[in-house]
Amino acid sequence: RKEVEQDPGPFNVPEGATVAFNCTYSNSASQSFFWYRQDCRKEPKLLMSVYSSGNEDGRFTAQLNRASQYISLLIRDSKLSDSATYLCVVNMARVGGKLIFGQGTELSVKP
Amino acid sequence: DAGVIQSPRHEVTEMGQEVTLRCKPISGHNSLFWYRQTMMRGLELLIYFNNNVPIDDSGMPEDRFSAKMPNASFSTLKIQPSEPRDSAVYFCASSLSRGQSPNQPQHFGDGTRLSIL
Repeated sequence: RKEVEQDPGPFNVPEGATVAFNCTYSNSASQSFFWYRQDCRKEPKLLMSVYSSGNEDGRFTAQLNRASQYISLLIRDSKLSDSATYLCVVNMARVGGKLIFGQGTELSVKP
Repeated sequence: DAGVIQSPRHEVTEMGQEVTLRCKPISGHNSLFWYRQTMMRGLELLIYFNNNVPIDDSGMPEDRFSAKMPNASFSTLKIQPSEPRDSAVYFCASSLSRGQSPNQPQHFGDGTRLSIL
């Protein structure tokens, strides 16, 4: 079993749609959680950290369920510019440690 | 502010040749990470350094791969001899780890696109 698993995608959605990505992680000792975004042929960039209480940043909402070892990302009112691959990322350490990346879910927002 | 700087951006070479990838982390960052990304395997951590010391090299594929960080502002990843299966995008990332503060995000360089013929 992979340490971090994501929806396979690709997700093809119209502009304005709401889309949700799911991610599960295998190690219950995981401490830090993130969503990264990667555009085609570009480097990954941090989209947002994921906190236990859930957090929102504009159109983006991240949720964490430690009991189920599940992370989600919700994008509301999707824009063409949201088209990218979204990477679920987990770190087993609270300080230091290494990031474990999921395979990513590709999102394509169409006009 | 300058981000993570990697060089070269692209490298095409024949198998058996030595390849050296370079990385300059963001000034003040004390953790540096080398990743490899392929379609088949996604993004994999090869090795990471904290305060110039290698902490975890379990992701380094084999003895043909080596990495060094002689000082806080420079790191190299070397492949010798190179093989076609080493073809991938290699990313360097850096972050700041501060005492017991929660992990800070990693900032990635543009990557080196490596093709071994």
